[in-house]
Amino acid sequence: AQSVTQLDSQVPVFEEAPVELRCNYSSSVSVYLFWYVQYPNQGLQLLLKYLSGSTLVKGINGFEAEFNKSQTSFHLRKPSVHISDTAEYFCAVSDSGGYQKVTFGTGTKLQVIP
Amino acid sequence: DAMVIQNPRYQVTQFGKPVTLSCSQTLNHNVMYWYQQKSSQAPKLLFHYYDKDFNNEADTPDNFQSRRPNTSFCFLDIRSPGLGDAAMYLCATSTRVYNEQFFGPGTRLTVL
Repeated sequence: AQSVTQLDSQVPVFEEAPVELRCNYSSSVSVYLFWYVQYPNQGLQLLLKYLSGSTLVKGINGFEAEFNKSQTSFHLRKPSVHISDTAEYFCAVSDSGGYQKVTFGTGTKLQVIP
Repeated sequence: DAMVIQNPRYQVTQFGKPVTLSCSQTLNHNVMYWYQQKSSQAPKLLFHYYDKDFNNEADTPDNFQSRRPNTSFCFLDIRSPGLGDAAMYLCATSTRVYNEQFFGPGTRLTVL
């Protein structure tokens, strides 16, 4: 069974500064990886996903993530954050190949400071 | 636009009074999920349907039931809500293969 660790529960960052939200996973097989964003009182919205191919994945709103198999990581980055990026971010993993359940991390709250 | 719709967005019920939350989708996805999410926590999977096949998580209380009358609709029934059931309930869908999940906006349940 797979698991996901988001080490940082909260990350404060000043507006226009870069940010990295960390995600590590464990799995004995190949995986699919996802980052979701959740704004207050909203559902989750997919930011980006890694299924196969290039390890650098670009998503919406200027976010990107890099799949690092040797370090079992999938950290989310943005070079310059905006106030509107304030939200909770969830990393998720599923085993690849056919229908598999998704496991979510506990989330990281990004607080962008003006 | 194709989407996942949840009604109502906010639901208030009394302790012990049955409540039903609804979810519909225009994505024509085979898989539908119900999650419970409490404040500052990850979504917790309650159950899912893979086509018509119902899959209950082992730790989902018997108080929670679900129905999927057709591909487009799915319902979550809470037979006797307790104070601990107050949460955001999220419906999601996915295709068979890649497990990218599409979420609805959620229903926030308050139990008085």
